[in-house]
Amino acid sequence: EVQLVQSGAEVKKPGESLKISCKGSGYSFTSYWIGWVRQMPGKGLEWMGIIYPGDSDTRYSPSFQGQVTISADKSISTAYLQWSSLKASDTAMYYCARLLYSSSSIWFDPWGQGTLVTVSS
Amino acid sequence: SSELTQDPAVSVALGQTVRITCQGDSLRSYYASWYQQKPGQAPVLVIYGKNNRPSGIPDRFSGSSSGNTASLTITGAQAEDEADYYCNSRDSSGNLIFGGGTKLTVL
Repeated sequence: EVQLVQSGAEVKKPGESLKISCKGSGYSFTSYWIGWVRQMPGKGLEWMGIIYPGDSDTRYSPSFQGQVTISADKSISTAYLQWSSLKASDTAMYYCARLLYSSSSIWFDPWGQGTLVTVSS
Repeated sequence: SSELTQDPAVSVALGQTVRITCQGDSLRSYYASWYQQKPGQAPVLVIYGKNNRPSGIPDRFSGSSSGNTASLTITGAQAEDEADYYCNSRDSSGNLIFGGGTKLTVL
């Protein structure tokens, strides 16, 4: 079974750093892009960026470029999303998902269970 | 434009057919994928490509596309279909985009 398992909920203070994880299993982790998606409370889905664990090629949404860092450790089949200085506005649920594509379509499947990040003083 | 536009809310009577739409210039070149998200749960893929359903997705879900509009149709909506639905595609620059989501209510 293809599965993505994310790290647990986090509560942080503004200005603190954070790194959350997404571990893949049941497939060749290095052969598929992994994406990160933000969902702020009561809001919709926002694409943040993607990484190809095979060579760590990374692409960011213009909205998130410079705000977060996406990385991966292929030796342990794990992708990461990190912040160097959190803001209250980073409070959200964060999902990782495997990206698949054809010449005419892209889709995310499966999705991790989500990691809730709460930033509050 | 690299945006995808969805109606915020749609309702359907139990057992009837409902169409949820997604509009955007990128849909003239790329098919949309569709996700179902129930409260407190992660999104689940329901349609991808021209009209493909992942394993386990009921065949009452179908997808179609015309011009700049993609549609998700639920034929014979069930109570368990009540959820938020999001479309997703890419633009010509390689950016991935989501629609704002449609809240489906089954009456």
